Amino acid sequence: GNSVTQMEGPVTLSEEAFLTINCTYTATGYPSLFWYVQYPGEGLQLLLKATKADDKGSNKGFEATYRKETTSFHLEKGSVQVSDSAVYFCALSDRAAGNKLTFGGGTRVLVKP
Amino acid sequence: DTAVSQTPKYLVTQMGNDKSIKCEQNLGHDTMYWYKQDSKKFLKIMFSYNNKELIINETVPNRFSPKSPDKAHLNLHINSLELGDSAVYFCASGTGRGAPHQETQYFGPGTRLLVL
Repeated sequence: GNSVTQMEGPVTLSEEAFLTINCTYTATGYPSLFWYVQYPGEGLQLLLKATKADDKGSNKGFEATYRKETTSFHLEKGSVQVSDSAVYFCALSDRAAGNKLTFGGGTRVLVKP
Repeated sequence: DTAVSQTPKYLVTQMGNDKSIKCEQNLGHDTMYWYKQDSKKFLKIMFSYNNKELIINETVPNRFSPKSPDKAHLNLHINSLELGDSAVYFCASGTGRGAPHQETQYFGPGTRLLVL
């Protein structure tokens, strides 16, 4: 079956530091890959996505590249802000598995001023 | 305007009770979902509906029964609540058209259920 593995948190950073959150996946088909973010007390919202190999998703200074050869979709941001403190979820959706979203365990990020 | 709304936001109840959570989306989407997020933030799909028809039913106890009166609403009824049902329940919607495995899902704010 499909699965997503992402680094456990919490990740604590200072403002303007570089952020990387690793994400690897296993899929039976050819999945689309997503990063969702959950701010405190809120629902999830899409941060970025990529639907085919070598695609780069980007939004709000975050980037992730779909790497089929390493089955990875690592999230990066060059200079984080306090407002980036949230839980980040890597996810995949696979037509072969009924198009449902399969999530990783989430990584809590705390950015300190 | 809230795109995906859920009520109630908080729900505290006793074991054995029956409760419902309501979800509405005003995005005109065809597909709606229920997810459960446990205390460790692990998120898992429970059900999905497309145009009022059940599409995905993960291995969820039959005490959980979704109901979709129309494509803008997907309610979740839970019978005989157990301690292990305590979690945050998220409703979501997606267009359900084109390439659904590429679609963005839009999540509600969540319902925090605590079973005592």
